[in-house]
Amino acid sequence: QQQVKQSPQSLIVQKGGISIINCAYENTAFDYFPWYQQFPGKGPALLIAIRPDVSEKKEGRFTISFNKSAKQFSLHIMDSQPGDSATYFCAALREDTGRRALTFGSGTRLQVQP
Amino acid sequence: EAGVTQFPSHSVIEKGQTVTLRCDPISGHDNLYWYRRVMGKEIKFLLHFVKESKQDESGMPNNRFLAERTGGTYSTLKVQPAELEDSGVYFCASSQNRPSANLEQFFGPGTRLTVL
Repeated sequence: QQQVKQSPQSLIVQKGGISIINCAYENTAFDYFPWYQQFPGKGPALLIAIRPDVSEKKEGRFTISFNKSAKQFSLHIMDSQPGDSATYFCAALREDTGRRALTFGSGTRLQVQP
Repeated sequence: EAGVTQFPSHSVIEKGQTVTLRCDPISGHDNLYWYRRVMGKEIKFLLHFVKESKQDESGMPNNRFLAERTGGTYSTLKVQPAELEDSGVYFCASSQNRPSANLEQFFGPGTRLTVL
């Protein structure tokens, strides 16, 4: 049973467009939701993260929108650039147990065309 | 500052053979994690060390996998004997052991394991 479901599997966006990646989670005890960006040949790198007490967090061109009642969160990349082409993973973690095991989505391969 | 390093970057072995993967965390990071991504699916947690102790090994798939972190520095993950379904990319990550800072896990580039 996959606890974090991510869509779409792949995404093609024109330069300057908005990229949107969606995730849904099952476990309401999750309280930390990071997004990771992975370039080919590299490991995933933390991009931006949010906690459920806020509905939106913005860092530069990257925004996380969080809907606690729907158990969904999404990543929006504004003014998408070819350099944003990468695989993006959403993840979730339950901090209060002390466990630090991240539960990941299956990833979205983003291609931004020039 | 050097990031998380993993060795080898690729490994191709026959079914039934043994493979040992190595991870060197960022210096000073007490937390070390192993994850695996199989066939383009989600990245799955395997286990978590705090220094040399296994904090959480709930994700280890079976007893063919053995992880060690002697001395609390680098870690090894041994697969013995390897099966076809063990193929995938094995990621190591590390984090600091301070509140909130321990949430940010820094990942290595991974070891791509192919079992034939």
